[in-house]
Amino acid sequence: DADVTQTPRNRITKTGKRIMLECSQTKGHDRMYWYRQDPGLGLRLIYYSFDVKDINKGEISDGYSVSRQAQAKFSLSLESAIPNQTALYFCATSDPEWDEETQYFGPGTRLLVL
Amino acid sequence: AQSVTQLGSHVSVSEGALVLLRCNYSSSVPPYLFWYVQYPNQGLQLLLKYTSAATLVKGINGFEAEFKKSETSFHLTKPSAHMSDAAEYFCAVSFYNKLIFGAGTRLAVHP
Repeated sequence: DADVTQTPRNRITKTGKRIMLECSQTKGHDRMYWYRQDPGLGLRLIYYSFDVKDINKGEISDGYSVSRQAQAKFSLSLESAIPNQTALYFCATSDPEWDEETQYFGPGTRLLVL
Repeated sequence: AQSVTQLGSHVSVSEGALVLLRCNYSSSVPPYLFWYVQYPNQGLQLLLKYTSAATLVKGINGFEAEFKKSETSFHLTKPSAHMSDAAEYFCAVSFYNKLIFGAGTRLAVHP
């Protein structure tokens, strides 16, 4: 089984809808991240969490919110989706105890906002 | 401010030829540098990382990268390309445990 899983893998939604992307990990890592990938822009950090009680905004947090329900779960919400949020979204984890710099990525969620 | 520049959004090589993917970074602190690879419809996989232990870093699948402080570069190389190397490659720098990525370079390998 994959260490970092994301659901759904693909999602089509309409402008104005609220949607949630979920990330779960079995690696036991404290730190979790959400990125979006756009062609020609690489990956950009949306939010990150260094533990269950610690949530921080990243480079492009506007229009997004997150919830860290447990060490293993980190959800990303789009309260009112807009077309320019169409992108590939990745969740990642890292372990401050062993190797805090290296991040491990999930398979991604492809989101299309119509 | 930390930043990463990858020169060339697309690189095409013949099978068996040298692969060279360029990455230059800007960092106000000694950098941790990474190369990740993304195969079609997959997440990012760590290829290699530089953490100041050695300037020449060897990674998976025959890739290596050399850290050159004077040139602020961390170019990725592989002596002989294989068809299975076709993917998108991302260079990244870590800044207070957050990764800053370059725009990516798509590598095509043709027979």
